[in-house]
Amino acid sequence: RKEVEQDPGPFNVPEGATVAFNCTYSNSASQSFFWYRQDCRKEPKLLMSVYSSGNEDGRFTAQLNRASQYISLLIRDSKLSDSATYLCVVNNNAGNMLTFGGGTRLMVKP
Amino acid sequence: EAGVAQSPRYKIIEKRQSVAFWCNPISGHATLYWYQQILGQGPKLLIQFQNNGVVDDSQLPKDRFSAERLKGVDSTLKIQPAKLEDSAVYLCASSLFPGVGEQYFGPGTRLTVT
Repeated sequence: RKEVEQDPGPFNVPEGATVAFNCTYSNSASQSFFWYRQDCRKEPKLLMSVYSSGNEDGRFTAQLNRASQYISLLIRDSKLSDSATYLCVVNNNAGNMLTFGGGTRLMVKP
Repeated sequence: EAGVAQSPRYKIIEKRQSVAFWCNPISGHATLYWYQQILGQGPKLLIQFQNNGVVDDSQLPKDRFSAERLKGVDSTLKIQPAKLEDSAVYLCASSLFPGVGEQYFGPGTRLTVT
């Protein structure tokens, strides 16, 4: 089983739609969680951290379910510019290493 | 603020040849990472440095890959000899501290082994 698993997609949605991605992780001792965004042929960039209480940044909402070991990212009112690959990232703290999921590709269509 | 610099941006070599990649992290960032990203996959950590010491290299194929960060600033990753399956983008990243969520990535070096 992979440490961090994501549905690779692609998710094809129209502009204005709401879309949600899930990610599961295998290490129950994982301490911190993040979503990164990677545009085509570009480097990954931090989108947002994921807190136990959930957090929101504009149209983006991230949530953590420790009991079920999954993380979610919700994007409301999708824009064309949201088209990218979204990478789920987990830090197990013990090794101070980040483990990246394979990414979920989102394509927002006009 | 200048970002993470990497060179070259692209490299094409034949299998069994050697290749080296260079990375200059953001000024003041003590932690430097090398990742390998194969097409369609997420980045995989190869090696992590804290200043000039190795923190983790458990996923580095040490029979062919080597990396150094001699003065605790820039770093070099080498592959010798290259195999076809080494074709990937090699990303360098840096952060102020180890294990923090916000790592800053360079543009990467796209390696094609033929």
